[in-house]
Amino acid sequence: DIQMTQSPSTLSASVGDRVTITCRASQTISSWLAWYQQKPGKAPNLLIYKASSLESAVPSRFSGSGSGTEFTLTISSLQPDDFATYYCQQYNSYPLTFGGGTKVEIK
Amino acid sequence: EVQLVQSGAEVKNSGDSLKISCKASGYNFTSYWIGWVRQMPGKGLEWMGIIYPGDSDTRYSPSFQGRVIISADKSISTAYLQWSSLKASDTAIYYCARYLRFSLYMDVWGQGTTVTVSS
Repeated sequence: DIQMTQSPSTLSASVGDRVTITCRASQTISSWLAWYQQKPGKAPNLLIYKASSLESAVPSRFSGSGSGTEFTLTISSLQPDDFATYYCQQYNSYPLTFGGGTKVEIK
Repeated sequence: EVQLVQSGAEVKNSGDSLKISCKASGYNFTSYWIGWVRQMPGKGLEWMGIIYPGDSDTRYSPSFQGRVIISADKSISTAYLQWSSLKASDTAIYYCARYLRFSLYMDVWGQGTTVTVSS
């Protein structure tokens, strides 16, 4: 199985900050990586697919980059609605796997 | 509008059987994969498996193979997740999600079904 490791597990930031979350794969996954946002009590929501493609209706302050084994999700200017938990997911091979999550908290 | 609507919360006893559902609408059910993700209380997301309703091709995570069955009924555009004998450790929220046929990320999610199993 491909292991996905996210860092940090928790991040404290202020509105307006630039935030970066890292996701590392235990073996190469090309660009087959997605990012999701989950708010408490809600289902996850797709943000980014194929490492850097922005899903329709997702604000442009979200961006993704990387390929191979190292990937990043960046929020250019953190907004109050962005405080949530973020997950990466690889879809290079079965079984599909998620990272452990990064909780973005208010500083 | 593309939607996945899941069945309601369940409270069961250890050893009970259970089948939860996910009804799709707004798209061609047989042209996308659909599957299940578990989230245990206070924990992260775990991929369980998927099914392609067009030909019933089914893939499971090794962690869930043999413990659950994923199925689909094309005639009513509904996917299912079932257990034959629940354990307390099956207590979780279960989400269904849609996947593109050739690119397995989850673009539409159901609202989640909470399953509580008492021992």
